[in-house]
Amino acid sequence: DVQLLESGGGLVQPGGSLRLSCAASGFSFSHFAMTWVRQAPGKGLEWVSAINSRGQTTYYAESVKGRFTVSSDISKSTLVLQMNSLRADDTAIYYCAKEGGSWGHIDSWGQGTLVTVSS
Amino acid sequence: DIQMTQSPTSLSASVGDRVSFTCRASQNINNYLNWYQQKPGKAPQVLIYATSSLESGVPSRFSGSGSGTDFTLTINSLQPEDLATYYCQQSFRTPYTFGQGTKVEIK
Repeated sequence: DVQLLESGGGLVQPGGSLRLSCAASGFSFSHFAMTWVRQAPGKGLEWVSAINSRGQTTYYAESVKGRFTVSSDISKSTLVLQMNSLRADDTAIYYCAKEGGSWGHIDSWGQGTLVTVSS
Repeated sequence: DIQMTQSPTSLSASVGDRVSFTCRASQNINNYLNWYQQKPGKAPQVLIYATSSLESGVPSRFSGSGSGTDFTLTINSLQPEDLATYYCQQSFRTPYTFGQGTKVEIK
């Protein structure tokens, strides 16, 4: 079974940094694109970032471009989101997610990790 | 960015009802339209991808249709466990934007 286990969430002050990790198992990590999706408290889903299966091409929402960096370590089946210059509106549950194939849909989600940006 | 607009924002229906809600894209997304169900306190789960393909393990009472910019998710015979918020998402062009969601309540 596919398992995605996020870690690294917590409380950080505005302007600070945080590094989220996602340990993947149960599938061939190098064959699928991976995605980060977030959900602010009581709000809807927001697509944040993605990386292609080989870890070579990255994509970002405009709201995080220039502040967040997505990367993957294929040898460790790990997805990483480095978040810098954090703002209060970055407060959310961050989900690690696996794309299902050529249609780009997400077929597996982690349980999420909460990031709170507050002084 | 491609904007996704869902309607209605919420609806209330009885067990056994047939319910439908819609998702409109701001431009043609060539059927790259996905539907997710999110139950309270849980991560989302995919129901439908590529407009009308049912994800493995999803009950057949869920179906999707549409083309171009207008898409519909239908639940035939609503069940108590369908209490959830439903999101559409386009995966035609990054950023892969979501709609704002439709919350389904059971009368």
